[in-house]
Amino acid sequence: NAGVTQTPKFRVLKTGQSMTLLCAQDMNHEYMYWYRQDPGMGLRLIHYSVGEGTTAKGEVPDGYNVSRLKKQNFLLGLESAAPSQTSVYFCASLPSLAGGRETQYFGPGTRLLVL
Amino acid sequence: GENVEQHPSTLSVQEGDSAVIKCTYSDSASNYFPWYKQELGKRPQLIIDIRSNVGEKKDQRIAVTLNKTAKHFSLHITETQPEDSAVYFCAASVRDISNFGNEKLTFGTGTRLTIIP
Repeated sequence: NAGVTQTPKFRVLKTGQSMTLLCAQDMNHEYMYWYRQDPGMGLRLIHYSVGEGTTAKGEVPDGYNVSRLKKQNFLLGLESAAPSQTSVYFCASLPSLAGGRETQYFGPGTRLLVL
Repeated sequence: GENVEQHPSTLSVQEGDSAVIKCTYSDSASNYFPWYKQELGKRPQLIIDIRSNVGEKKDQRIAVTLNKTAKHFSLHITETQPEDSAVYFCAASVRDISNFGNEKLTFGTGTRLTIIP
């Protein structure tokens, strides 16, 4: 049981390049989230998904797209990277059982540098 | 939308002393308040959470208090140890069991806690 994993761990892009970040979870969690973390700003929600085939916008969605074709994977895409997207990206997942004890589990993060 | 403010941004305490971190929130509908600890280069990990039907919760050296009227909640760490050094984040959300997946955590900006040996 690997929990939540993210690929890649680190990437350097040039302005205008595109890339996809992969988040995978093997816990059969229904809900998945993408956050970005910038110094002094905490974590901000980019997009999230409440189930396979569904996505929704979070607090800072501009410049990003997402897809959830398979329940276990949540992809975050940058079509044309900008220096303002330099950040650490965290994926999280949440189980579907509404028993009151659930919380979001975070992946290890992807550090992205856009030059 | 929800706005969460967290203070202080940095905190240094002597080993063995207590540390207190405070957060305020704006959305009176928020009913779920987790606290995360993030060590350098690591992922955020939940250390304690509280729901709006209780005012205080303890787990060994960690406690969280909630004042719904004033819309603030606090993290208390007693008998601090060097391994408590990390960045701590508070968060708030409206947890609706009938619409669980739409939970969106709003995070504070973090407190860097340093324990001085």
